[in-house]
Amino acid sequence: DAGITQSPRHKVTETGTPVTLRCHQTENHRYMYWYRQDPGHGLRLIHYSYGVKDTDKGEVSDGYSVSRSKTEDFLLTLESATSSQTSVYFCAISDPGSGRTGELFFGEGSRLTVL
Amino acid sequence: LAKTTQPISMDSYEGQEVNITCSHNNIATNDYITWYQQFPSQGPRFIIQGYKTKVTNEVASLFIPADRKSSTLSLPRVSLSDTAVYYCLVALPAGSARQLTFGSGTQLTVLP
Repeated sequence: DAGITQSPRHKVTETGTPVTLRCHQTENHRYMYWYRQDPGHGLRLIHYSYGVKDTDKGEVSDGYSVSRSKTEDFLLTLESATSSQTSVYFCAISDPGSGRTGELFFGEGSRLTVL
Repeated sequence: LAKTTQPISMDSYEGQEVNITCSHNNIATNDYITWYQQFPSQGPRFIIQGYKTKVTNEVASLFIPADRKSSTLSLPRVSLSDTAVYYCLVALPAGSARQLTFGSGTQLTVLP
């Protein structure tokens, strides 16, 4: 299995508080992604990164920011959490040189509940 | 970006062959087609990938017609443990940083 660790795995917080989720990889993959998964919506891309300090928005980026200061870490921040951000968040990585074009490796997910 | 369309759900019985079709009318010339499987409380995992014609591995086969506007994932002789959500994804070419979007996937339920 790809070396991807998400933390925390579970978090309960209150509306209006900032939250940071961390994705750590040991594969030295260039690309990293944050997705959220909600019933009936499948996986939706929040933000992605194609290198250190190089990030871009996905389809549901409002209310989220990201940072990537090191190859191995990709942080997702909810600046002021809302109940609509209650979800399961998945981190993924990929590497163009991995042998399969665009294959994504996913972490175990972080379940966030905003009360 | 190529958008994909899949059936929302499918039921099958143990031992049967299951075919899940994905439509991707706007697929680009350099795009690959990738299928993922997701079990509850886990992240998706890669099943198979192809560009054209047929690809087979130890888990599944992938059929892609000449126009590449659709693809069919074939799971031979399914078992209860194949119950999962299956996603079709039009994958980026190597070296590109396109956005990767998943649709809602197909919930496959294998019945005894």
